[in-house]
Amino acid sequence: DGGITQSPKYLFRKEGQNVTLSCEQNLNHDAMYWYRQDPGQGLRLIYYSQIVNDFQKGDIAEGYSVSREKKESFPLTVTSAQKNPTAFYLCASSSPTSGRAADTQYFGPGTRLTVL
Amino acid sequence: SQELEQSPQSLIVQEGKNLTINCTSSKTLYGLYWYKQKYGEGLIFLMMLQKGGEEKSHEKITAKLDEKKQQSSLHITASQPSHAGIYLCGADTSGANNLFFGTGTRLTVIP
Repeated sequence: DGGITQSPKYLFRKEGQNVTLSCEQNLNHDAMYWYRQDPGQGLRLIYYSQIVNDFQKGDIAEGYSVSREKKESFPLTVTSAQKNPTAFYLCASSSPTSGRAADTQYFGPGTRLTVL
Repeated sequence: SQELEQSPQSLIVQEGKNLTINCTSSKTLYGLYWYKQKYGEGLIFLMMLQKGGEEKSHEKITAKLDEKKQQSSLHITASQPSHAGIYLCGADTSGANNLFFGTGTRLTVIP
């Protein structure tokens, strides 16, 4: 079955600790994305990667870091520098077409991070 | 800045009623996506619209994109409890495949 998996589903962290959220896809998609969702604010883009070994900051990258060493994997690290990390984190992937054609992003089930 | 306005924020309808959710952009859209989300879960892709005047349907859900490519509507006919959830529109306004999302519409369908 092709899809996107995120783990864990729930994560608890103490203040001052870094934590890494996993995102894996077997859709053979080139592009992957991380979003943060807060109540009443919709989704906001944290980081995205259009190809292996390359990634770009999104709108709210401060306090986060990513890596893209493999096409299938795009882990997100929430660092202690992120002042308000409690949120629902969603990973997505897509297979961008050439030119300016829009392409569909498919989402994983999400990870809910709570800072204690 | 908020580039996508979605309305209404919440909607409660009786089962069997029709309803419409709107999504308006201040910029011309390269692509407009509709997703559905159950609370605490990921987004399920519904439909994508690209061309001005385009309309797509799937089962009882119809999405339209206006001719100017700045406004989209999602219409549900004869709503059912299974339609309940949060509906989100996402838009590509730059052609770079990065999406901006509306704040969502929470739909409740009363049996």
